[in-house]
Amino acid sequence: KAGVTQTPRYLIKTRGQQVTLSCSPISGHRSVSWYQQTPGQGLQFLFEYFSETQRNKGNFPGRFSGRQFSNSRSEMNVSTLELGDSALYLCASRPGSGNTIYFGEGSWLTVV
Amino acid sequence: TQLLEQSPQFLSIQEGENLTVYCNSSSVFSSLQWYRQEPGEGPVLLVTVVTGGEVKKLKRLTFQFGDARKDSSLHITAAQPGDTGLYLCAGELETDSWGKLQFGAGTQVVVTP
Repeated sequence: KAGVTQTPRYLIKTRGQQVTLSCSPISGHRSVSWYQQTPGQGLQFLFEYFSETQRNKGNFPGRFSGRQFSNSRSEMNVSTLELGDSALYLCASRPGSGNTIYFGEGSWLTVV
Repeated sequence: TQLLEQSPQFLSIQEGENLTVYCNSSSVFSSLQWYRQEPGEGPVLLVTVVTGGEVKKLKRLTFQFGDARKDSSLHITAAQPGDTGLYLCAGELETDSWGKLQFGAGTQVVVTP
């Protein structure tokens, strides 16, 4: 069974631009969550989607948004990029509540 | 402030030695997971524990969940260079689940031959 797939793996953006990251969950998994990992803050929760509905949200500004499609694939968008948005963005999936969460390899975003 | 306090932050040992990583909190978790992460990669799941007092063994790795479900430990017996990596504990709060894992800061383990 294929794991969680994230694209792109690496990207470089300029301050003020926007970026969209994509995530395909494990087949059959309906819950997708996103995390940001930085050396200073570690892994921080961004948001979680289940059946196209956002069920939970972390403490990030409104520039960070996401959505989930009917096939459970998810995208997250960051607008008006800042240097501090440089991070590894991780997507994770699981069948539903109360189950183990599996992570993808992440998308490395560098903002210059 | 992180809800899960992981210790130590860094551990350097010789091949064959044992090591223990601790994960502590004042909050109660419905489940707790341990991951290992390599540089530039996503965390890879090692184990999930859900029952207070639960002990799980995975070859040379032993995981324990505290009776009150507030703490956990990871013990590695006879460590090997392949055990090198960043070990992360993560848990779901009883009061705030739905995909929201609270992560510890991680323990960087280095095992030298």
